[in-house]
Amino acid sequence: DSGVTQTPKHLITATGQRVTLRCSPRSGDLSVYWYQQSLDQGLQFLIQYYNGEERAKGNILERFSAQQFPDLHSELNLSSLELGDSALYFCASSVAGLAGGLGEQFFGPGTRLTVL
Amino acid sequence: AQSVTQLDSHVSVSEGTPVLLRCNYSSSYSPSLFWYVQHPNKGLQLLLKYTSAATLVKGINGFEAEFKKSETSFHLTKPSAHMSDAAEYFCVVSEMNRDDKIIFGKGTRLHILP
Repeated sequence: DSGVTQTPKHLITATGQRVTLRCSPRSGDLSVYWYQQSLDQGLQFLIQYYNGEERAKGNILERFSAQQFPDLHSELNLSSLELGDSALYFCASSVAGLAGGLGEQFFGPGTRLTVL
Repeated sequence: AQSVTQLDSHVSVSEGTPVLLRCNYSSSYSPSLFWYVQHPNKGLQLLLKYTSAATLVKGINGFEAEFKKSETSFHLTKPSAHMSDAAEYFCVVSEMNRDDKIIFGKGTRLHILP
C-alpha cells in the first residue's frame, strides 16, 4: 500500500459527459501528479501540482483540468468525454516539487475510466 | 527534448536465469532516470533511480541498473529471475531543473518461465 488513495476505483460513463477523479496524497507529500495509461498511448504524464500551485504540464488536453486543494488532495476533471479517453488514470505523490531529482513518486491504485 | 526508448516490448526468461531489460534515453541536460515496476492491476512502484551520483544503482528486489552516458543507456538487470518478477517495467527520464517533464517508456513486459 503506497499511502496514496484514489476514488472511484471504476467509472463508467457516456460520451459527452464530465467526470471528476479524486486523489489523496500520502501524508506529508506536497506534490501530486496525474497520469493517463492507455493501450495505444502508454503511460503519459498529464500535470503536476505542488502545494496548491500548478508546477508542470505534460500532455494534458484542454478538456481536462486539475486542481489541488488546501488540504493537498487533488481532483482531475475530464469533460466532453470521448471514447478515446477510456484509460487508467493514476495519481502519484512525492514530498518534493521536482520529480526529477528529489524523492520518489508513490502511485495510487488508479481509476479505470470507461467511456461508452 | 528528452525521450526514452525501451528496446523490447516483451522479454521472457526462465526462473533462476539473468534478466536484462534495455532502455536508451535522450536528454539535452543531466537527466534523472528511474525504473518503475507495475504488477497486474496495481499502481507503479519505484525500483531504483539515478540522479548523477554513482553510475551503478542498486534497487529493491535484487534489481540494479547502470547509467552509461557514452551509450545513453540505463539497462535494468537482475542476476536471477523469480516468478514474482513477472510484471511490466517502465524506464522513465526527467530533466532536473528544466521543464520538469516526465517521460515514460512504453514498457517491457517481463515473463518468467517455470
